[in-house]
Amino acid sequence: AQSVTQLGSHVSVSEGALVLLRCNYSSSVPPYLFWYVQYPNQGLQLLLKYTSAATLVKGINGFEAEFKKSETSFHLTKPSAHMSDAAEYFCAVSDMTGTASKLTFGTGTRLQVTL
Amino acid sequence: DADVTQTPRNRITKTGKRIMLECSQTKGHDRMYWYRQDPGLGLRLIYYSFDVKDINKGEISDGYSVSRQAQAKFSLSLESAIPNQTALYFCATQLAGGYNEQFFGPGTRLTVL
Repeated sequence: AQSVTQLGSHVSVSEGALVLLRCNYSSSVPPYLFWYVQYPNQGLQLLLKYTSAATLVKGINGFEAEFKKSETSFHLTKPSAHMSDAAEYFCAVSDMTGTASKLTFGTGTRLQVTL
Repeated sequence: DADVTQTPRNRITKTGKRIMLECSQTKGHDRMYWYRQDPGLGLRLIYYSFDVKDINKGEISDGYSVSRQAQAKFSLSLESAIPNQTALYFCATQLAGGYNEQFFGPGTRLTVL
Protein backbone atom coordinates (compact mmCIF):
# COMPACT_ATOMS: atom_id res chain seq x y z
CA ALA A 1 0.00 0.00 0.00
CA GLN A 2 1.13 3.53 -0.65
CA SER A 3 0.12 6.90 0.67
CA VAL A 4 1.05 10.55 0.56
CA THR A 5 0.74 13.17 3.29
CA GLN A 6 0.88 16.85 2.48
CA LEU A 7 1.37 18.97 5.57
CA GLY A 8 -0.62 22.19 5.43
CA SER A 9 -3.71 22.51 3.30
CA HIS A 10 -3.05 26.24 2.88
CA VAL A 11 0.28 28.04 2.68
CA SER A 12 0.65 31.79 2.32
CA VAL A 13 3.89 33.51 1.32
CA SER A 14 4.87 36.98 0.26
CA GLU A 15 5.98 37.64 -3.28
CA GLY A 16 9.74 37.05 -3.45
CA ALA A 17 9.80 34.76 -0.41
CA LEU A 18 10.80 31.12 -0.31
CA VAL A 19 8.11 28.58 -1.15
CA LEU A 20 8.22 25.29 0.76
CA LEU A 21 5.45 22.72 0.29
CA ARG A 22 5.83 19.53 2.28
CA CYS A 23 5.20 15.97 1.10
CA ASN A 24 5.88 12.72 2.91
CA TYR A 25 5.21 9.36 1.34
CA SER A 26 4.77 5.77 2.39
CA SER A 27 5.54 2.98 -0.04
CA SER A 28 6.55 -0.65 0.32
CA VAL A 29 8.57 -0.50 -2.89
CA PRO A 30 10.90 2.14 -4.32
CA PRO A 31 8.58 4.95 -5.33
CA TYR A 32 8.19 7.21 -8.26
CA LEU A 33 7.14 10.63 -6.98
CA PHE A 34 5.44 13.51 -8.72
CA TRP A 35 4.38 17.07 -8.06
CA TYR A 36 1.43 18.43 -10.03
CA VAL A 37 0.00 21.95 -10.09
CA GLN A 38 -3.61 22.93 -10.65
CA TYR A 39 -4.42 26.49 -11.64
CA PRO A 40 -7.99 27.71 -11.16
CA ASN A 41 -10.50 26.05 -13.47
CA GLN A 42 -7.86 23.88 -15.08
CA GLY A 43 -6.68 20.30 -14.98
CA LEU A 44 -3.46 19.18 -13.35
CA GLN A 45 -0.11 19.59 -15.04
CA LEU A 46 3.22 18.07 -14.12
CA LEU A 47 5.75 20.24 -12.30
CA LEU A 48 8.43 17.60 -11.82
CA LYS A 49 9.01 13.93 -11.11
CA TYR A 50 11.48 11.67 -9.33
CA THR A 51 12.26 8.38 -11.07
CA SER A 52 15.34 7.15 -9.12
CA ALA A 53 17.95 9.14 -11.02
CA ALA A 54 19.16 12.35 -9.34
CA THR A 55 17.69 12.98 -5.91
CA LEU A 56 17.39 16.70 -6.60
CA VAL A 57 14.86 17.20 -9.33
CA LYS A 58 14.33 20.44 -11.20
CA GLY A 59 10.99 21.23 -12.73
CA ILE A 60 9.19 23.95 -14.58
CA ASN A 61 8.72 27.54 -13.41
CA GLY A 62 11.75 27.44 -11.10
CA PHE A 63 10.46 24.70 -8.81
CA GLU A 64 12.59 21.86 -7.51
CA ALA A 65 12.21 18.97 -5.09
CA GLU A 66 14.61 16.73 -3.22
CA PHE A 67 14.00 13.04 -2.63
CA LYS A 68 15.15 12.03 0.87
CA LYS A 69 14.73 8.33 1.43
CA SER A 70 15.74 8.48 5.10
CA GLU A 71 12.99 11.01 5.77
CA THR A 72 10.51 9.56 3.23
CA SER A 73 10.05 13.10 1.97
CA PHE A 74 9.79 14.89 -1.36
CA HIS A 75 9.32 18.56 -0.45
CA LEU A 76 8.75 21.14 -3.17
CA THR A 77 10.64 24.44 -3.08
CA LYS A 78 11.06 27.64 -5.05
CA PRO A 79 13.52 30.32 -3.97
CA SER A 80 11.34 33.31 -4.85
CA ALA A 81 7.56 33.20 -5.12
CA HIS A 82 5.73 34.97 -7.89
CA MET A 83 2.09 35.97 -7.97
CA SER A 84 1.54 33.52 -10.83
CA ASP A 85 2.51 30.63 -8.53
CA ALA A 86 -0.82 30.90 -6.71
CA ALA A 87 -2.45 27.52 -7.31
CA GLU A 88 -3.11 24.16 -5.70
CA TYR A 89 -0.23 21.71 -5.57
CA PHE A 90 -0.51 17.94 -5.34
CA CYS A 91 2.14 15.41 -4.45
CA ALA A 92 1.62 11.88 -5.79
CA VAL A 93 3.32 8.49 -5.52
CA SER A 94 3.23 5.75 -8.13
CA ASP A 95 2.52 2.17 -7.19
CA MET A 96 4.69 -0.28 -9.08
CA THR A 97 3.48 -3.50 -7.46
CA GLY A 98 2.46 -6.22 -9.86
CA THR A 99 1.35 -4.87 -13.22
CA ALA A 100 -0.26 -1.80 -11.78
CA SER A 101 1.16 1.67 -11.91
CA LYS A 102 -1.49 3.85 -10.34
CA LEU A 103 -0.99 7.26 -8.79
CA THR A 104 -2.00 7.98 -5.22
CA PHE A 105 -2.45 11.68 -4.57
CA GLY A 106 -2.10 13.76 -1.46
CA THR A 107 -4.91 16.03 -0.38
CA GLY A 108 -3.29 19.10 -1.88
CA THR A 109 -1.82 22.37 -0.65
CA ARG A 110 -3.25 25.67 -1.78
CA LEU A 111 -0.53 28.29 -2.19
CA GLN A 112 -1.44 31.93 -1.77
CA VAL A 113 1.06 34.61 -2.78
CA THR A 114 0.61 38.08 -1.34
CA LEU A 115 2.16 41.42 -2.23
CA ASP B 1 -6.05 21.66 -29.88
CA ALA B 2 -6.14 20.06 -26.45
CA ASP B 3 -4.66 16.58 -26.19
CA VAL B 4 -7.19 15.38 -23.62
CA THR B 5 -10.74 16.67 -23.88
CA GLN B 6 -13.72 16.13 -21.64
CA THR B 7 -17.40 16.70 -22.34
CA PRO B 8 -19.44 18.24 -20.92
CA ARG B 9 -17.39 20.78 -18.93
CA ASN B 10 -20.28 21.48 -16.60
CA ARG B 11 -23.40 19.51 -15.86
CA ILE B 12 -26.25 19.86 -13.44
CA THR B 13 -28.53 16.87 -13.04
CA LYS B 14 -31.09 15.48 -10.64
CA THR B 15 -30.94 12.58 -8.24
CA GLY B 16 -31.69 9.29 -9.95
CA LYS B 17 -30.74 10.40 -13.45
CA ARG B 18 -28.24 8.50 -15.58
CA ILE B 19 -25.36 10.58 -16.80
CA MET B 20 -22.31 9.95 -18.96
CA LEU B 21 -19.07 11.88 -18.95
CA GLU B 22 -16.85 11.48 -21.96
CA CYS B 23 -13.12 11.67 -22.45
CA SER B 24 -11.16 11.69 -25.70
CA GLN B 25 -7.44 11.87 -26.28
CA THR B 26 -5.14 12.41 -29.23
CA LYS B 27 -1.93 11.48 -27.44
CA GLY B 28 -1.99 7.84 -28.55
CA HIS B 29 -1.68 6.61 -24.96
CA ASP B 30 -2.96 3.18 -24.01
CA ARG B 31 -3.65 3.98 -20.38
CA MET B 32 -6.61 6.08 -19.30
CA TYR B 33 -7.94 7.00 -15.87
CA TRP B 34 -10.98 8.58 -14.24
CA TYR B 35 -10.59 10.54 -10.99
CA ARG B 36 -12.88 12.62 -8.86
CA GLN B 37 -11.69 15.64 -6.91
CA ASP B 38 -13.38 16.82 -3.74
CA PRO B 39 -12.21 19.76 -1.61
CA GLY B 40 -9.77 18.59 1.05
CA LEU B 41 -9.63 15.04 -0.31
CA GLY B 42 -7.38 15.43 -3.33
CA LEU B 43 -7.93 13.17 -6.33
CA ARG B 44 -9.29 9.67 -5.92
CA LEU B 45 -9.18 7.00 -8.58
CA ILE B 46 -12.53 5.69 -9.84
CA TYR B 47 -11.58 3.39 -12.73
CA TYR B 48 -8.61 2.83 -14.99
CA SER B 49 -7.93 1.05 -18.25
CA PHE B 50 -4.59 -0.11 -19.61
CA ASP B 51 -5.99 -0.95 -23.05
CA VAL B 52 -9.33 -1.39 -24.78
CA LYS B 53 -9.92 -4.85 -23.28
CA ASP B 54 -8.68 -4.00 -19.79
CA ILE B 55 -10.90 -2.26 -17.22
CA ASN B 56 -10.06 -2.06 -13.53
CA LYS B 57 -11.78 -0.65 -10.48
CA GLY B 58 -10.11 2.06 -8.49
CA GLU B 59 -10.57 2.92 -4.84
CA ILE B 60 -14.05 4.46 -5.20
CA SER B 61 -15.82 2.62 -8.05
CA ASP B 62 -19.19 2.02 -6.34
CA GLY B 63 -21.98 3.83 -8.18
CA TYR B 64 -19.90 4.27 -11.34
CA SER B 65 -19.24 2.29 -14.51
CA VAL B 66 -16.97 2.86 -17.48
CA SER B 67 -16.66 1.97 -21.12
CA ARG B 68 -13.50 2.00 -23.23
CA GLN B 69 -14.93 2.34 -26.72
CA ALA B 70 -11.57 2.77 -28.44
CA GLN B 71 -8.01 3.53 -27.54
CA ALA B 72 -8.87 7.21 -27.65
CA LYS B 73 -12.19 7.19 -25.79
CA PHE B 74 -13.03 6.37 -22.18
CA SER B 75 -16.48 7.18 -20.77
CA LEU B 76 -17.64 7.32 -17.17
CA SER B 77 -21.29 6.67 -16.30
CA LEU B 78 -23.31 7.31 -13.21
CA GLU B 79 -26.22 4.90 -13.47
CA SER B 80 -28.35 6.65 -10.87
CA ALA B 81 -26.78 9.88 -9.72
CA ILE B 82 -26.87 10.87 -6.06
CA PRO B 83 -25.93 14.20 -4.43
CA ASN B 84 -22.67 12.92 -2.90
CA GLN B 85 -21.42 12.34 -6.44
CA THR B 86 -21.27 16.10 -6.86
CA ALA B 87 -17.59 16.69 -7.62
CA LEU B 88 -15.02 17.67 -10.21
CA TYR B 89 -14.18 14.74 -12.48
CA PHE B 90 -10.90 14.37 -14.35
CA CYS B 91 -9.81 12.06 -17.09
CA ALA B 92 -6.10 11.35 -17.53
CA THR B 93 -3.92 9.45 -19.97
CA GLN B 94 -0.49 7.88 -19.65
CA LEU B 95 2.11 6.02 -21.63
CA ALA B 96 2.78 2.57 -20.19
CA GLY B 97 5.17 2.75 -17.23
CA GLY B 98 4.66 4.11 -13.73
CA TYR B 99 7.48 6.59 -14.19
CA ASN B 100 5.57 8.35 -16.95
CA GLU B 101 3.46 11.35 -16.13
CA GLN B 102 -0.27 11.38 -16.48
CA PHE B 103 -1.84 14.04 -18.70
CA PHE B 104 -5.09 15.49 -17.42
CA GLY B 105 -8.14 16.84 -19.16
CA PRO B 106 -9.71 20.14 -18.09
CA GLY B 107 -12.31 18.46 -15.89
CA THR B 108 -16.09 18.17 -15.70
CA ARG B 109 -17.88 19.88 -12.87
CA LEU B 110 -20.90 17.75 -11.99
CA THR B 111 -23.66 18.87 -9.66
CA VAL B 112 -26.33 16.41 -8.56
CA LEU B 113 -29.39 18.06 -7.03
